[in-house]
Amino acid sequence: QKEVEQDPGPLSVPEGAIVSLNCTYSNSAFQYFMWYRQYSRKGPELLMYTYSSGNKEDGRFTAQVDKSSKYISLFIRDSQPSDSATYLCAMRGAGGTSYGKLTFGQGTILTVHP
Amino acid sequence: DAGVTQSPTHLIKTRGQQVTLRCSPKSGHDTVSWYQQALGQGPQFIFQYYEEEERQRGNFPDRFSGHQFPNYSSELNVNALLLGDSALYLCASSPERGATDTQYFGPGTRLTVL
Repeated sequence: QKEVEQDPGPLSVPEGAIVSLNCTYSNSAFQYFMWYRQYSRKGPELLMYTYSSGNKEDGRFTAQVDKSSKYISLFIRDSQPSDSATYLCAMRGAGGTSYGKLTFGQGTILTVHP
Repeated sequence: DAGVTQSPTHLIKTRGQQVTLRCSPKSGHDTVSWYQQALGQGPQFIFQYYEEEERQRGNFPDRFSGHQFPNYSSELNVNALLLGDSALYLCASSPERGATDTQYFGPGTRLTVL
């Protein structure tokens, strides 16, 4: 079983829709949670960064972390065609052998059509 | 402010050959991590360098080795290339003493092994 599970999709939505992307994980040592966006043939771009449980909002993006359920989510409001990309969740521990090492999900391919 | 840069952009090698990939970290960053991203998968951690030493390593064979220079730039070397080494190789940099230790990725080097 992988440490981080992410539904690869693909996910196709109309412009303006609310998008929900999710990851589950098994390693209770994970403390820091990130969402990256990756356009085709490009490197991942950091979207959101959260520590421990709770919500964080940045413009149209909201990240949620539920450590009790080992579940994280990214919500995109008023989705735009420019949001079409692969979304990767990533996480790491606070120290020890997991310090510095990001563990990624498989990525979800999102297409927003006009 | 230049971000993380990588060279070359892409290259083609044959089985058994050796390859060297290069990375320059973002200004102000002194820690470099390398990841391998196979097609349709999330990045997999190879290793991390700090103060010119390998600080942490993922589950990759000894064929994968690296180096960090005094100016914090880094190289990834892969010997005895296999077909399965074909992937996008990503370099990420972070500030060792940064508040968030967020990793910023470069555009990657796409390696094709024939």
